[in-house]
Formats: sequence, structure tokens, C-alpha cells
Amino acid sequence: GAGVSQTPSNKVTEKGKYVELRCDPISGHTALYWYRQSLGQGPEFLIYFQGTGAADDSGLPNDRFFAVRPEGSVSTLKIQRTERGDSAVYLCASSPSGLAMETQYFGPGTRLLVL
Amino acid sequence: AQSVTQPDIHITVSEGASLELRCNYSYGATPYLFWYVQSPGQGLQLLLKYFSGDTLVQGIKGFEAEFKRSQSSFNLRKPSVHWSDAAEYFCAVGESLASGGSYIPTFGRGTSLIVHP
Repeated sequence: GAGVSQTPSNKVTEKGKYVELRCDPISGHTALYWYRQSLGQGPEFLIYFQGTGAADDSGLPNDRFFAVRPEGSVSTLKIQRTERGDSAVYLCASSPSGLAMETQYFGPGTRLLVL
Repeated sequence: AQSVTQPDIHITVSEGASLELRCNYSYGATPYLFWYVQSPGQGLQLLLKYFSGDTLVQGIKGFEAEFKRSQSSFNLRKPSVHWSDAAEYFCAVGESLASGGSYIPTFGRGTSLIVHP
């Protein structure tokens, strides 16, 4: 079946602009995660959804970052007033139920460049 | 706080040679441990994971890893490397979320594997 997809694959924006990044998880997966991967680093956790609700958003760096999952499937990561330091690859992952033993399946990521 | 150290930024091996990628973790309790591989333009793919039980874990693509509590290590091994194994490898330690249920992996910075023909 289809894996996790993310759009766009690349996004270039100017400092101060607003961007939205989309994640389509594997069908039926209730758990969805967002990560950010800076150049030369491993991914860092941003937020975890269980169904429609954000179960843990402790990784969001500041209030410019927000994510939604209104129908419990597709999720959108929203970044306001982008800064050059936001440039990174944003990864999305999903798992069937969010249980500790489950594998998280990652999408290919959205590469964000803030000029 | 938990952390993961991958001391080698780059590793170069010849095709057919054996491979060992090092990973050390810092975590108070029994950790959940993972190895992921990331190829250019591809998402992270889970190679193997350790939760409990047998400390030698078999994964996909012929990889294995051994959990050594006394050394706080979870090194990844492969007896014979193929050119297609060239990629970025990430070790991660998982911590249960305070909200319960799920876990969040803390990743190391990765080791880039270069395979010479």
C-alpha cells in the first residue's frame, strides 16, 4: 500500500512569510508525528497526534509553530513569520496506534529553505 | 535526559567487507533502541529495534545489532556490505511520552556510510 507522503517536497520562502507543510499518513494509522532534521543532525521531535488531538507538543520550538489534524488523517504543520533558522527538512511519520512497540513509518520529508 | 552518541561521522568500507557502526546511549532505565537508515530522497527506514529479551537483534537487509548494557552500546553490524548500503545511519533511543502510550526516539547525529567498489 501507499506509504507516508509529504507535500511539497521542497519549499523556498522569504523570511517573515507563512508556510504550510502537509503530511498524508498511511491509511488507518491513528498516530502521527512531526520531526525536524537540520543539516548534519538527526531528526528532532516536534509534535505527536493521536487521532485528531495533539497528545504531546513539547518539541515545538516556539509559538510560531503550530500543527493540526482536524479529521484524524492528514496533518498540516504551520510556521508563521518564518526565520532563516527554520530551514530544515521536516519529516512526518505515522504508526498504527502509537503504541511503544510499533514501528513509525517516515515520509520523504519537506525541505524548507527560508531566504 | 536521554542522549545518543554516534562517534563516527563518516565510515568508509570496501564492498564485501564487514561493517560495524557504533552507538552509545545515555538513559536511566532499560531503553528502547533503534537503528534507522536514510537514503538520499528517501524517508527514514527502520532497520531493527530492541525492546527487551535477546540482546542480539536481527533486522532487515542482513543487519544485526547487539545491546550491551554494561557498555551502554547498541552497535550495528553487517558481515558483508553491498554498494546499495551506502546511506546515512541513525541510532535512536526511545523514551515513553509523559502523556503515555507512545514513545519518541531521540536520534544521534548519524553516521554516513561510504562504500568503495
